Amino acid sequence: QEKVQQSPESLIVPEGAMSSLNCTFSNSASQSIWWYQQHPGKGPEALISIFSNGNKKEGRLTVYLNRASLHVSLHIRDSQPSDSAVYLCAVKRPSGSWQLIFGSGTQLTVMP
Amino acid sequence: EAAVTQSPRNKVTVTGGNVTLSCRQTNSHNYMYWYRQDTGHGLRLIHYSYGAGNLQIGDVPDGYKATRTTQEDFFLLLELASPSQTSLYFCASSDGQISNERLFFGHGTKLSVL
Repeated sequence: QEKVQQSPESLIVPEGAMSSLNCTFSNSASQSIWWYQQHPGKGPEALISIFSNGNKKEGRLTVYLNRASLHVSLHIRDSQPSDSAVYLCAVKRPSGSWQLIFGSGTQLTVMP
Repeated sequence: EAAVTQSPRNKVTVTGGNVTLSCRQTNSHNYMYWYRQDTGHGLRLIHYSYGAGNLQIGDVPDGYKATRTTQEDFFLLLELASPSQTSLYFCASSDGQISNERLFFGHGTKLSVL
């Protein structure tokens, strides 16, 4: 069964710093990989996705994917207190069905 | 923006009780999902559906039934609730097209089984 593991479990950074979150997955044939943001009392919201090896940049967010090492990372430039949330990595199963398998998340806290 | 509405927001029941969680999406999405979220486990897929009358089993289906009555409505049923089913439940929907795989989540239902 596919597994998605995230590290670190929690991360504290000062305002303006770069936040770096990591995710490893177990199946190189997995399709797209997503990052979701979840604030307390809310459902997860999609931030960014990537399918091909390499990097993808959207605003302050950059995602790096290396399928050979089964690793994806999310980097948030110029982190703001409003970025404080749980970040979930999700991998789409390679079976063709529309299922996302989620990691247990990284709690990001940005200190003003 | 896609809208997914869950009800109730909070529910308390006793062991052995019956519980129905409701979900409605208003964007004509094909796929709907039920997840549970627990500390240390992240989000785990219970059941999902790709249309009215269809039901697919997820990764943690034991103790749960689900029914998709219309394109918009997806229900999760716990017929003999147990304390292990105390959790935060999320419903989600998606278009199901390769060009648009994004899931839209509701705000969640917090269920406590005493």
